[in-house]
Amino acid sequence: SQELEQSPQSLIVQEGKNLTINCTSSKTLYGLYWYKQKYGEGLIFLMMLQKGGEEKSHEKITAKLDEKKQQSSLHITASQPSHAGIYLCGADGGEVQGAQKLVFGQGTRLTINP
Amino acid sequence: NAGVTQTPKFRILKIGQSMTLQCAQDMNHNYMYWYRQDPGMGLKLIYYSVGAGITDKGEVPNGYNVSRSTTEDFPLRLELAAPSQTSVYFCASARLWNEQFFGPGTRLTVL
Repeated sequence: SQELEQSPQSLIVQEGKNLTINCTSSKTLYGLYWYKQKYGEGLIFLMMLQKGGEEKSHEKITAKLDEKKQQSSLHITASQPSHAGIYLCGADGGEVQGAQKLVFGQGTRLTINP
Repeated sequence: NAGVTQTPKFRILKIGQSMTLQCAQDMNHNYMYWYRQDPGMGLKLIYYSVGAGITDKGEVPNGYNVSRSTTEDFPLRLELAAPSQTSVYFCASARLWNEQFFGPGTRLTVL
């Protein structure tokens, strides 16, 4: 079965600093999703990557899927308190086309210090 | 649009009791999902549905049952609650090839 490993598991950065979160898969990724979870709440969709080498940006967050489609990174530029939360990557193993049977990483807890 | 709604928000059960977690979506999505999230962990898929009348097991289906009689509703049934089922449960829905929208979650404690 597919497994996702996120690193680091937790991250504390000073406001204004850049940071990167990584997500490594044990198998080829057919679809990679990044979500953000605020403590005790549901997940909010950030970005979806499907093609090797693909890169997407939204505001100060950039996500990339490497060429071999087994690793993704999430980069935040000039971090703000609003970026604090838990970041989760989810992968579609492609077993059932389009059904998105997602496997999730364990999450990265991001804390932003003023 | 209310999106994905879940009830109840919190529940405490005694061992052996049964309950149904409700999930509804008003976005006309064909795909619906149930996940559980244990403390400090990612989400694990319990069951999913690709449309009304069609359900299938996910990664951790033991101890749970689902039904999908309408496009909008996807209830999750716990028949004999066990302490190992203490978790936060999330329901999600999606269109084909698109991102999943998540509900706010139900926090369940089994004592």
